[in-house]
Amino acid sequence: RKEVEQDPGPFNVPEGATVAFNCTYSNSASQSFFWYRQDCRKEPKLLMSVYSSGNEDGRFTAQLNRASQYISLLIRDSKLSDSATYLCVVNPYTDKLIFGTGTRLQVFP
Amino acid sequence: EPEVTQTPSHQVTQMGQEVILRCVPISNHLYFYWYRQILGQKVEFLVSFYNNEISEKSEIFDDQFSVERPDGSNFTLKIRSTKLEDSAMYFCASSGRVVETQYFGPGTRLLVL
Repeated sequence: RKEVEQDPGPFNVPEGATVAFNCTYSNSASQSFFWYRQDCRKEPKLLMSVYSSGNEDGRFTAQLNRASQYISLLIRDSKLSDSATYLCVVNPYTDKLIFGTGTRLQVFP
Repeated sequence: EPEVTQTPSHQVTQMGQEVILRCVPISNHLYFYWYRQILGQKVEFLVSFYNNEISEKSEIFDDQFSVERPDGSNFTLKIRSTKLEDSAMYFCASSGRVVETQYFGPGTRLLVL
């Protein structure tokens, strides 16, 4: 089983749509969870941390289910500028971040 | 807003040559990292560095690789004898504490011919 697994997409959605991404991780001892965004040929940029209680930042909502080892990201009212690759990232309480392969989102007018 | 910077942005080298990639982490950060991303693949951890020594490294980080913090601001990755498969984007990152958000630099695109 891959350490962090994501659906690679692409997800093609119209502006204004709601889209959800899912991610699973294999190490049950993992402590910290993040969603990063990566534009083409650019560096990963932190979108939000993910907490067990769930957290929201504007149009973005992240959820963590430790029992199922499952992380989700919901984007409401999609904008053209949301087009990017969304990376599910896990820190297994060591120094390193473990990245998923990313889910590509394309928002069209 | 403080940011991680990296130089050069692009580097082309011949197989077997040595390259040094440079990074300036965020000034009050204590933990430094190198990652790489081969085109079309996921971001992979190479090494972490704290208190002037390597704290963790991946199996990718073999004897051809080394890291150094030569002064109070720079953090370098050296590849002694580059191979074709070293062609990738190399990202430096830093964080204030371990298990804290890591902030990434813009990357150095390395092409080995």
